[in-house]
Amino acid sequence: EIVLTQSPGTLSLSPGERATLSCRASQGVTNNYLAWYQQKPGQAPRLLISDASTRTTGIPDRFSGSGSGTDFTLTISRLEPEDFAVYFCQQYGSSPWAFGQGTKVEIK
Amino acid sequence: QVHLVESGGGSVKPGGSLRLSCAASGFTFGDYFMSWVRQAPGKGLEWVSYISYTSTYIDYADSVKGRFSISRDNAKDSLFLQMNSLRAEDTAVYYCARGTVTTAGLFDFWGRGTLVTVSS
Repeated sequence: EIVLTQSPGTLSLSPGERATLSCRASQGVTNNYLAWYQQKPGQAPRLLISDASTRTTGIPDRFSGSGSGTDFTLTISRLEPEDFAVYFCQQYGSSPWAFGQGTKVEIK
Repeated sequence: QVHLVESGGGSVKPGGSLRLSCAASGFTFGDYFMSWVRQAPGKGLEWVSYISYTSTYIDYADSVKGRFSISRDNAKDSLFLQMNSLRAEDTAVYYCARGTVTTAGLFDFWGRGTLVTVSS
């Protein structure tokens, strides 16, 4: 069973700054089947990135994903006010599918 | 437009049962794997169960195996989760989530969730 560990737990940044979120897997993620979701309070998660680096249609290009194997990164190049939220990574390459515990990006 | 609407949540005592439903619209329901994912208050996401197009393949997280049962009715575009022997640690918002066309475990659309509270 793969365990995903996200860091940091909370990221305090200002609009316009760059956000770098990390997701580390306890073992290699099959085919780099790693996704990133955004969740705002009271809302369902929204799929941002799949296959480690493929942006979902309609997601702004300030969001980018990178990494392979056990280390993955979500980068938000310039934070917009609507980007302050919680971000989860998820591996879907092997059962059981697992999520990280989340990184909260908050306004500094 | 894809819509997933969960219902059936509520408050139940430990050991009790609940049946969740998810009504799907805006897509051909029978063409997709479907899952339930839950989120305990203030916590992260946990995949609970999935079911394949024609219910041939089903799987559960170890935490619910033997207590929960997933099913679907493609004629009614509906997904279900029968939850028995409920425990306090099952308290969570339960989301219905659609797998993509190519990848069952990648969730491209989610419902807004239904809250299940297990408490004496």
